[in-house]
Amino acid sequence: AIQMTQSPSSLSASVGDTVTITCRASQYIRDELVWYQQKPGKAPKLLTFTPSNLPNGVASEFSASGSGTDFALTITSLQPEDFATYFCLQGHSYPYTFGQGTKLEIK
Amino acid sequence: DVHLVESGGGAVQPGGSLSLSCAASGFTFGDYGMHWIRQAPGKGLEWVGVIIWDGTGIHYGESVQGRFTISRDDTKNSVSLQMTGLTTEDTALYFCAKGGSGKVVVDYWGRGTQVTVSS
Repeated sequence: AIQMTQSPSSLSASVGDTVTITCRASQYIRDELVWYQQKPGKAPKLLTFTPSNLPNGVASEFSASGSGTDFALTITSLQPEDFATYFCLQGHSYPYTFGQGTKLEIK
Repeated sequence: DVHLVESGGGAVQPGGSLSLSCAASGFTFGDYGMHWIRQAPGKGLEWVGVIIWDGTGIHYGESVQGRFTISRDDTKNSVSLQMTGLTTEDTALYFCAKGGSGKVVVDYWGRGTQVTVSS
């Protein structure tokens, strides 16, 4: 199975900051990677996928980049509602696999 | 709006079996693959498996292969997860999720149903 290494596992930042979360695949996955946001007690929500495409209702401060094995999710000008846990998911080959998650906390 | 509602969770002893169901609405069910994804307490997400839109392809995560079975009933807009040989490692919140289009693996999630495996 493809291993997805996500980093950092946790991150402290302030409102207005810009942060980047990365996912590295253990093998080539083209651009078949999706990002999700999860808030405590809630189901995950589709955030974006590469090349950067925002589904309806997703705020424009989120952007995704990367291809091959290295990917990044960048959140510019953090808003209070952005503090959550973020996961990447590769959809290139079965079994699909998630990154371990990044918990973004308010500093 | 897309709605996914899981049911069937509960407590079971190690070695036991349990069947989960997911009722879907708000989209043309037969056009999409359906996934199961789980989350152990305080842990990350683990992809459990998928049944392709026409039911001809079913794929599983390595930790559940051979023990779990996914099926779908397009007449009832539902997908099921039959779990056997359960261990404490299977304790988790189980989410049903709708497959997306193109590169989007999953676009909508249910709220989950809790499975607890304990003696």
